[in-house]
Amino acid sequence: GAVVSQHPSRVICKSGTSVKIECRSLDFQATTMFWYRQFPKQSLMLMATSNEGSKATYEQGVEKDKFLINHASLTLSTLTVTSAHPEDSSFYICSATTGNSNQPQHFGDGTRLSIL
Amino acid sequence: QKEVEQDPGPLSVPEGAIVSLNCTYSNSAFQYFMWYRQYSRKGPELLMYTYSSGNKEDGRFTAQVDKSSKYISLFIRDSQPSDSATYLCAMSGRGFQKLVFGTGTRLLVSP
Repeated sequence: GAVVSQHPSRVICKSGTSVKIECRSLDFQATTMFWYRQFPKQSLMLMATSNEGSKATYEQGVEKDKFLINHASLTLSTLTVTSAHPEDSSFYICSATTGNSNQPQHFGDGTRLSIL
Repeated sequence: QKEVEQDPGPLSVPEGAIVSLNCTYSNSAFQYFMWYRQYSRKGPELLMYTYSSGNKEDGRFTAQVDKSSKYISLFIRDSQPSDSATYLCAMSGRGFQKLVFGTGTRLLVSP
């Protein structure tokens, strides 16, 4: 149980392109989803927290107009990297939880984004 | 200074060895402490979590938290090649929300 599917697993695209990453909870209702980013040799860094039906809450230093998050249903959240540039190349990973702070986050397998 | 420090390794041990993985942290507000295991090209999976100080045991795994020293450990007994993975510590001040992760320690258990 508690499976989170993230798609695509790998994206390579040209600078200036917008890229959408999907995160789905397959067997539970995810009231809250989290988006993380990990640069090489660094730790997973929380980018934003999204609650179903609400605007996402972004961490300090994360541009909300660049990283658009939509959490329109209890099983799907999307992260769109708009006008991506090489410095946006990173490993993006989502997690989902039922929203109760006592329930663990379940992670997707991540998306490796490479901007040429 | 990073909020959570973790040696990236790799840590190489022979099968059957006892493995000790550690993290230190600076934020005294952290109350919840977790260990995640991450296999290559997979997302992290929760291994164990503890609240405040103390020990917790689950099979071959033991988690320890020493809040006075701001130091947490994960011990793996009778390590197996299948334990080869990256182990991430994570912590928060409020349950499983807003986790702060270490960089992860890569563990290699050789047969």
